[in-house]
Amino acid sequence: SQKIEQNSEALNIQEGKTATLTCNYTNYSPAYLQWYRQDPGRGPVFLLLIRENEKEKRKERLKVTFDTTLKQSLFHITASQPADSATYLCASQGGYNKLIFGAGTRLAVHP
Amino acid sequence: DTGVSQNPRHKITKRGQNVTFRCDPISEHNRLYWYRQTLGQGPEFLTYFQNEAQLEKSRLLSDRFSAERPKGSFSTLEIQRTEQGDSAMYLCASLRGGIKETQYFGPGTRLLVL
Repeated sequence: SQKIEQNSEALNIQEGKTATLTCNYTNYSPAYLQWYRQDPGRGPVFLLLIRENEKEKRKERLKVTFDTTLKQSLFHITASQPADSATYLCASQGGYNKLIFGAGTRLAVHP
Repeated sequence: DTGVSQNPRHKITKRGQNVTFRCDPISEHNRLYWYRQTLGQGPEFLTYFQNEAQLEKSRLLSDRFSAERPKGSFSTLEIQRTEQGDSAMYLCASLRGGIKETQYFGPGTRLLVL
């Protein structure tokens, strides 16, 4: 079955550094991947979508890559800030556009 | 605020009671999804509506769960005879069919079954 894997360990970085989060997929080839941000007690908020024929996508301090050979997407936050602290979810799409999520990676940016 | 609202935001109930949650999607969105999220996990798909038709249900949705979307507007999710394992965050998301692939999530309803 379709599976999305994210590093379940929390990522701790210093303010100003670049945070890099990993998303791996197995048993299928998604047409695109999405990244969401989720704050405690809130619903996920869409950040970026990258298609399989796009190598890289950027939005302000965010960058996403999609490597179909490695079956992997990387999510980067440059010049990270404490306000970037949250859980970041990677998702692919199944039938009827339902989302298949990874477990998420918790990011903590320390001043 | 994404424009998707859910009520109540929190619900505490005793085991064996019935609970009902409501989701109001963005008005022009004809697709509506319910997900369940437990601590430390990503959301898991429960069920999908296109307008008023329920087109897919996950195996996670036991026969104690029922969902409706009358008239293709708001949706309700009911859990009968709640169990402690039902404790989770229940999320609703909507999507404008055929146009965007981005789902807009509500704030969720956190259920605690004692």
